[in-house]
Amino acid sequence: LAKTTQPISMDSYEGQEVNITCSHNNIATNDYITWYQQFPSQGPRFIIQGYKTKVTNEVASLFIPADRKSSTLSLPRVSLSDTAVYYCLVGDRGSQGNLIFGKGTKLSVKP
Amino acid sequence: GAGVSQTPSNKVTEKGKYVELRCDPISGHTALYWYRQSLGQGPEFLIYFQGTGAADDSGLPNDRFFAVRPEGSVSTLKIQRTERGDSAVYLCASSLRGGGEYNEQFFGPGTRLTVL
Repeated sequence: LAKTTQPISMDSYEGQEVNITCSHNNIATNDYITWYQQFPSQGPRFIIQGYKTKVTNEVASLFIPADRKSSTLSLPRVSLSDTAVYYCLVGDRGSQGNLIFGKGTKLSVKP
Repeated sequence: GAGVSQTPSNKVTEKGKYVELRCDPISGHTALYWYRQSLGQGPEFLIYFQGTGAADDSGLPNDRFFAVRPEGSVSTLKIQRTERGDSAVYLCASSLRGGGEYNEQFFGPGTRLTVL
């Protein structure tokens, strides 16, 4: 499985756009990029998944360049409730699906 | 509908004791996963069930850890002779089916285990 590298922590203010970049230099052809969000005292929650270019849903956007060696999770106009740990995962979509988590990025949104 | 539930939410035990942690997956989900999360770390995979059988138990750290899912729904994680290093949050997740096209995993709130 491809190893991922993401910043340990990030700070932001309410109303700003936050971009969290994840590096995955050894991503394989069959690998998808998936992001999970974890609030304190809760289990992780799926946010978004993509293979290439751009994916957008009601929560976030995911930008993936052509070489797929990195990806950027974009959170528009964050609020205090977006304070959480964000995990970038890379893996074969067709695998059995046990997820490999790194340490994630702890996002702190300030008023 | 109801999400994944886990009981108890907190468990404090003494070193050497036996504990059982329960997971109720989302109804109809055939795949069930157990993870363990230590402070400041991401969840670490322990075991995966497809139906009643353990499809992958490669993450269980040693033979003190065992999990069952006898009827293909509720699962119990069992830890014998607990050690202080077992202290962590134990997370359960379920998905509609394992393997094949990606299935989003839905996590429960976890059981915080503290071994004194």
